[in-house]
Amino acid sequence: EAGVAQSPRYKIIEKRQSVAFWCNPISGHATLYWYQQILGQGPKLLIQFQNNGVVDDSQLPKDRFSAERLKGVDSTLKIQPAKLEDSAVYLCASSLDLRGKETQYFGPGTRLLVL
Amino acid sequence: DQQVKQNSPSLSVQEGRISILNCDYTNSMFDYFLWYKKYPAEGPTFLISISSIKDKNEDGRFTVFLNKSAKHLSLHIVPSQPGDSAVYFCAAFSTGGFKTIFGAGTRLFVKA
Repeated sequence: EAGVAQSPRYKIIEKRQSVAFWCNPISGHATLYWYQQILGQGPKLLIQFQNNGVVDDSQLPKDRFSAERLKGVDSTLKIQPAKLEDSAVYLCASSLDLRGKETQYFGPGTRLLVL
Repeated sequence: DQQVKQNSPSLSVQEGRISILNCDYTNSMFDYFLWYKKYPAEGPTFLISISSIKDKNEDGRFTVFLNKSAKHLSLHIVPSQPGDSAVYFCAAFSTGGFKTIFGAGTRLFVKA
């Protein structure tokens, strides 16, 4: 079974530039999550999709971050414009459904450095 | 507001000994708890979980204990192996909230 795929693995940009991350979840997984992990901290949920609908985006900085999951499969997360404090690892995860007792499977993450 | 706290940033243990990783939570609505393990340059992987109706769950060398009255859980690894060296995240979930909250992680070093 293929795992969660993410690209790119690394990205370096200057502040005020834009960047986009892509995630392909495990086939058949209805729930998709984007987390931000700042160095020394645990993953923080940015947005959670159930199929192509948003379940929770309460911690997504909507003035600069956006995410979509068209057709309920792949997802993209965009930052526009980036700030220095956006430097972090962006993790995508998926699970069979959103009841939480289902294990979340994480991708390898995209490490973003904003200069 | 840190709802899930792992107060020890790191832990060093000798191979063959027991590793005990601790986690405290503040929200009494959490009813499911998980431990994830993370190696460098990889995403976290699920290790073991426990429902709030239990106080212990065991899977091979890994045991999770839950003390609801103290809002505390711990992960025991016996015996510890060098391959267990990783960052361990405690996570908590509320069935009503559908959101998993992660602690900051504890980095475990198992010395050969």
